[in-house]
Formats: sequence, structure tokens, C-alpha cells
Amino acid sequence: AQKVTQAQTEISVVEKEDVTLDCVYETRDTTYYLFWYKQPPSGELVFLIRRNSFDEQNEISGRYSWNFQKSTSSFNFTITASQVVDSAVYFCALSEASTGNQFYFGTGTSLTVIP
Amino acid sequence: ETGVTQSPTHLIKTRGQQVTLRCSSQSGHNTVSWYQQALGQGPQFIFQYYREEENGRGNFPPRFSGLQFPNYSSELNVNALELDDSALYLCASSRTGGPQETQYFGPGTRLLVL
Repeated sequence: AQKVTQAQTEISVVEKEDVTLDCVYETRDTTYYLFWYKQPPSGELVFLIRRNSFDEQNEISGRYSWNFQKSTSSFNFTITASQVVDSAVYFCALSEASTGNQFYFGTGTSLTVIP
Repeated sequence: ETGVTQSPTHLIKTRGQQVTLRCSSQSGHNTVSWYQQALGQGPQFIFQYYREEENGRGNFPPRFSGLQFPNYSSELNVNALELDDSALYLCASSRTGGPQETQYFGPGTRLLVL
């Protein structure tokens, strides 16, 4: 079973629009960690944020914000006033205390921002 | 930039051959994880090395093997290459091997098996 689901395969928005990328996860652990990464065409995964299961506070960093809701097992990512440079594939990932070392990645959401 | 480097950047091999990919971890990190990313998919965990020992393995056959050196750099070896091994291979380093540690990724090696 897929531990991380990113149902949106591709999204296109016009520059300056807001966009939300969805991430739903599945785990039986009470201690786990959630991550978002950005993968530009060059291929390198760029770390954006980490959140642990005990901290449900939403976070804002510039134009980026994250909404963590344990009740719905979701960790959604919103980009406000999108820019062309935001075009990339975005991955949500999960790591669990029980399985330790590996990250479980979703299949990614490809975001295209049209100028 | 993360400070994680990988070599080579691109590689073309034929079926049945063997390949070695290399990764240098970020300064201060003693753990390296390897992932395989097929086209259009998310990265899949291959294995992790922590202080020169294998510290977890994903669902990959034994022909995928690795090594970590005293300076914490690492190698991924794949024997008897198959067409399905064509992918982007990503290396990530972290401070330690725990699930709470953020993994910082290198630029990857694109492997094409013909």
C-alpha cells in the first residue's frame, strides 16, 4: 500500500495565482516525520520543510505555507503568488520511527507556472 | 547547494554489465542513503549506510550493493544490469541515520541501460 499519496499529478497555474499541493499519508506509528522536497529539471531534490508528528502548528516561510492535519492525515503545501521559478516537481515524503531510515516518497506533483 | 556530490552525472551501459556510482556526503554527515527514481515516479529507497555499516535496506535484489568509506563517502554497485535499472540514482546524506534526520540530496546520476 502506498504510504504517501499525491493525487495531483500535474497542475498548471498562471503566475501570481495561489496553488495548493495535496499530500495524504498513511502510518500506524505515533512518531513520524513529514517532508516536502522540490525537484527542478536539473534533478536535485531540494529540501523545503520537515514536520514531526507531535507538532501540528502550521508554518509559513515567505510565499510558502504548510498545513498539517493529523485528523485527516494530510500535510498540504501552499504557494502564494506563484512565480515561474516555482515550476518543478514537488514531493512529499514520510519517515517512521518503526522503519527508521527510509523515506517513503509520493509520486510527486508537477507544477507549471505560466507567465 | 547541499554539498552532496555524485559522479558520474550520466552513464550508459548495456544489459548484463556492472556499474559503480559514487557519492560524497556533506561535511559533518556520517550517513548516506541511496534512492532509485524511475521516470515519472518518486524516489525508492535502496539502502542506507551509517558509519560504514548497512543500516536498512529497501526492496531491492542483492545485485544492488554498497559501501561506505571512513570519510563517509559511498558507492552503489549494481551487477548484471537490467533494462529496468535505467533511472536517476540519488544519494542523500544526513547527520545520523535516524528517521528524524533531514536527508540532503545530490544532483543524481542518470543511468541508461541498453
